[in-house]
Amino acid sequence: NAGVTQTPKFRVLKTGQSMTLLCAQDMNHEYMYWYRQDPGMGLRLIHYSVGEGTTAKGEVPDGYNVSRLKKQNFLLGLESAAPSQTSVYFCASSPTYTEAFFGQGTRLTVV
Amino acid sequence: TQLLEQSPQFLSIQEGENLTVYCNSSSVFSSLQWYRQEPGEGPVLLVTVVTGGEVKKLKRLTFQFGDARKDSSLHITAAQPGDTGLYLCAGAGGANNLFFGTGTRLTVIP
Repeated sequence: NAGVTQTPKFRVLKTGQSMTLLCAQDMNHEYMYWYRQDPGMGLRLIHYSVGEGTTAKGEVPDGYNVSRLKKQNFLLGLESAAPSQTSVYFCASSPTYTEAFFGQGTRLTVV
Repeated sequence: TQLLEQSPQFLSIQEGENLTVYCNSSSVFSSLQWYRQEPGEGPVLLVTVVTGGEVKKLKRLTFQFGDARKDSSLHITAAQPGDTGLYLCAGAGGANNLFFGTGTRLTVIP
């Protein structure tokens, strides 16, 4: 039972570098989300998608872009990484925008 | 600024004690969920409440949704060390999004 898989699990970037985080789900869920988790901040919604080909901004979208070309995949891109983007990133999927199922997270450090 | 505020932020209690965690917002939600997260893992859903005033029980955990659907509480009876973790509430918004609270970190001391 794969569920939600995030790639990579850890990454160190230099300021200004770009990268893409991949989220894949095998549950045929319509809704997918990207969150970041910082100490004492809970989870903050970056972007989300309500179906293949759709994306929408969440609470903290600046500095990130997303794409949902296939239903099972949701990509999060950082075009020019900044130290403020050091965080743990979680992807989640949901059949009904409730009951979210989460991946294991990606720990990103920007130096 | 997060839509959902949780209190307390940290809670350390002895095994066997009871506790209540609160989740408050000025917004109305169509449903509210509670999750538990352990170190190095993603959050795991505990319960979803949908109707104002609804009460759900999961073994020693009791969840209540406020009448106005703006707040919720989680009560744990006779806490055990296995209850240790980060408890997060999440509200389903009108635009098919899902917002999380600030979290309550619970430590149960044996």
